Amino acid sequence: SQKIEQNSEALNIQEGKTATLTCNYTNYSPAYLQWYRQDPGRGPVFLLLIRENEKEKRKERLKVTFDTTLKQSLFHITASQPADSATYLCALASWRQGGKLIFGQGTELSVKP
Amino acid sequence: EPEVTQTPSHQVTQMGQEVILRCVPISNHLYFYWYRQILGQKVEFLVSFYNNEISEKSEIFDDQFSVERPDGSNFTLKIRSTKLEDSAMYFCASTITDTQYFGPGTRLTVL
Repeated sequence: SQKIEQNSEALNIQEGKTATLTCNYTNYSPAYLQWYRQDPGRGPVFLLLIRENEKEKRKERLKVTFDTTLKQSLFHITASQPADSATYLCALASWRQGGKLIFGQGTELSVKP
Repeated sequence: EPEVTQTPSHQVTQMGQEVILRCVPISNHLYFYWYRQILGQKVEFLVSFYNNEISEKSEIFDDQFSVERPDGSNFTLKIRSTKLEDSAMYFCASTITDTQYFGPGTRLTVL
């Protein structure tokens, strides 16, 4: 069956360091992958989308990589700040247009000053 | 910046009652979705809607659930006879092609 797994443990890092979050999947061939941020009691907020034919995408302090051979995406936040503390969700879509998203369970990131 | 809105933010209901959750997707978007998140669990897909009909639904979306786009702006999720296990955050999302934008959610509590 399809499975998406993110870092199982919460991630605690010092301010200024780079946070690296992992998303692994099995039995799935996604057309694209998205990363979202979710704060407690709030809806997911879109951060980045990367397609199956792309290796890397960047936006300001964020970088995402996508390796369809390893079936893995890595999400990096450089120069992390306490305001980056949140849960980060990985979501995969199998259709190129309009398809549903399948979410991982999320990784809780805590950035200490 | 346009955003997805949802009402109410919190709905409390008795088991067996009907509830309607409302969403206003981003105006030029074409695909609409409902997801839910039970406390402490992952976000789960319920249903997608395109061109005035359901395009895909999950096993969760049984006969107790229905969706409607009654006019050009609203998108609703109806639960006909709520159960205790329907208690969750319900998120509406919309997209024009691929990036899905989520609303703030409606917290449904079934007593």
